[in-house]
Amino acid sequence: DARVTQTPRHKVTEMGQEVTMRCQPILGHNTVFWYRQTMMQGLELLAYFRNRAPLDDSGMPKDRFSAEMPDATLATLKIQPSEPRDSAVYFCASGQRNEQFFGPGTRLTVL
Amino acid sequence: GIQVEQSPPDLILQEGANSTLRCNFSDSVNNLQWFHQNPWGQLINLFYIPSGTKQNGRLSATTVATERYSLLYISSSQTTDSGVYFCAVVGGTSYGKLTFGQGTILTVHP
Repeated sequence: DARVTQTPRHKVTEMGQEVTMRCQPILGHNTVFWYRQTMMQGLELLAYFRNRAPLDDSGMPKDRFSAEMPDATLATLKIQPSEPRDSAVYFCASGQRNEQFFGPGTRLTVL
Repeated sequence: GIQVEQSPPDLILQEGANSTLRCNFSDSVNNLQWFHQNPWGQLINLFYIPSGTKQNGRLSATTVATERYSLLYISSSQTTDSGVYFCAVVGGTSYGKLTFGQGTILTVHP
């Protein structure tokens, strides 16, 4: 049963620390997305990759967030330095053609 | 950008009841998906339905793209149907970016 996996599932850290979230897309999918879910903003897109190339990261705060795909089986989202307002659930999704499938999310709490 | 509106915002049902959730969108779409976010926070794919009608067990969905709306039908609801139902679309000029509605919170009582 193919699915998107994400690690860690939960992360509690202190303000100023670096946070790295990882995603393994479904094998064969050529698009990868990072979304963030908060109570106030709902679900919003942070970054988008097609064939490992970043196509859009306009949703990310550039000074502290970075997203990469070192290879086709791994996508990473880093926050450095983290701030309390970054507390949210971060979802990775992958897709082939148009339909997207979501991972279980990483619940991040920044104290 | 494209706007997505879902109604009703909240819905409370008794087990066994039927319901209809609505999603309106402001522009043409290349993709429309319905998701169920369960109480554990997982987003479960229900339907990929940019147009037409699909059925999966007790759930069915219809998208009328020319009139810019989609409907999700839940029949004989069960307590496990509780959660938040999201409609999400990819606008005609938005490559793969999904824009989500605010969701419908469904509570099914036994």
